[in-house]
Amino acid sequence: DADVTQTPRNRITKTGKRIMLECSQTKGHDRMYWYRQDPGLGLRLIYYSFDVKDINKGEISDGYSVSRQAQAKFSLSLESAIPNQTALYFCATSDYTGLAGIVGELFFGEGSRLTVL
Amino acid sequence: AQSVTQPDIHITVSEGASLELRCNYSYGATPYLFWYVQSPGQGLQLLLKYFSGDTLVQGIKGFEAEFKRSQSSFNLRKPSVHWSDAAEYFCAVTGGGNKLTFGTGTQLKVEL
Repeated sequence: DADVTQTPRNRITKTGKRIMLECSQTKGHDRMYWYRQDPGLGLRLIYYSFDVKDINKGEISDGYSVSRQAQAKFSLSLESAIPNQTALYFCATSDYTGLAGIVGELFFGEGSRLTVL
Repeated sequence: AQSVTQPDIHITVSEGASLELRCNYSYGATPYLFWYVQSPGQGLQLLLKYFSGDTLVQGIKGFEAEFKRSQSSFNLRKPSVHWSDAAEYFCAVTGGGNKLTFGTGTQLKVEL
């Protein structure tokens, strides 16, 4: 089984629908992240969490929300999906590097491809 | 603000040829640098990282990268490319603030 599991892997939905993408991990890491990948833009950070009570906005959080249900689970929600949220979404985890503010090696899930019509 | 530039969107090399993927970063202090690889349909996997010490870093799958502070570069190299190296490669930089900034990626095609 994969260390970082994302569900669903593919989803097609309509404008205005609420969508939840789920992520679970067996790495035992406290730090979890949601990224969005668009062709030609690389990966951009949506939200990140350092523990169950710590949620932080990334560079493109508008239109998204997250929930950290447990150390191992971190879900991303689109409250009212719009077509420009069509993208490939990645969940990732990392361990603490020992260096304040420095992100260590990220372990990625296989991605959730979302299409909003 | 930190940023990463990968000037080459696509690169095509013949199997067995050498490879160099370019990465330039912008960050005022000491950067921490990474190269990730994304195979089709997969998530990203770390190839190597530079945090400190020797500026020539060895990674997995026969890759290496050299940190050159004077040129603000962290280019990825491999002496002999294999067909299985076809993938997209991302350079990334972090300098603090719990933020990792990715480049836009270089798509590598390997001709047999």
